[in-house]
Amino acid sequence: NAGVMQNPRHLVRRRGQEARLRCSPMKGHSHVYWYRQLPEEGLKFMVYLQKENIIDESGMPKERFSAEFPKEGPSILRIQQVVRGDSAAYFCASSPRGTDEKLFFGSGTQLSVL
Amino acid sequence: GESVGLHLPTLSVQEGDNSIINCAYSNSASDYFIWYKQESGKGPQFIIDIRSNMDKRQGQRVTVLLNKTVKHLSLQIAATQPGDSAVYFCAENIGQGGKLIFGQGTELSVKP
Repeated sequence: NAGVMQNPRHLVRRRGQEARLRCSPMKGHSHVYWYRQLPEEGLKFMVYLQKENIIDESGMPKERFSAEFPKEGPSILRIQQVVRGDSAAYFCASSPRGTDEKLFFGSGTQLSVL
Repeated sequence: GESVGLHLPTLSVQEGDNSIINCAYSNSASDYFIWYKQESGKGPQFIIDIRSNMDKRQGQRVTVLLNKTVKHLSLQIAATQPGDSAVYFCAENIGQGGKLIFGQGTELSVKP
């Protein structure tokens, strides 16, 4: 049973480029969460999605960041016009019911902005 | 700011000793708590969870204690091993679907 799959594992972008991070949840999970982690810090909630719906985007920056979870295919976290401050590890997690239950995390995408 | 915090950012223990990692939370509406372990370069890994109607839960070598009166959570690791070296995060569910709020983390270092 494959876990949460994230790709790419490492992503290097120059300032002003776009970054696309992909997340395939565990089989049978329809709830996806994105978190950002800066070095030596905890995980900061960004966005919570269910298939084709954004449930909670209270942690998303107001500009340049967007997320989707289409009916078919992986969830995508998109960062437009990246800046150096966007450099971080981005983790995706999934759960089956979207209630008070444990989240299963992927291995993350390390984004480096030059 | 975050509602979950940790008292100690680093903890160093001798192999074979017991470890205790503490966490304070501020949201009295939180009803579900989890401890995760994160090794370098990896995603968080579930260790143990507890619901607010319990004050103690045991797993294999790990015990979580919940004190709702003082809003305190702790993780106890028995007979700590080198493989336990990692950063440990507590997280709480504040009743907004499956969303978890994470604390800052404690780095556990086990000396052989």
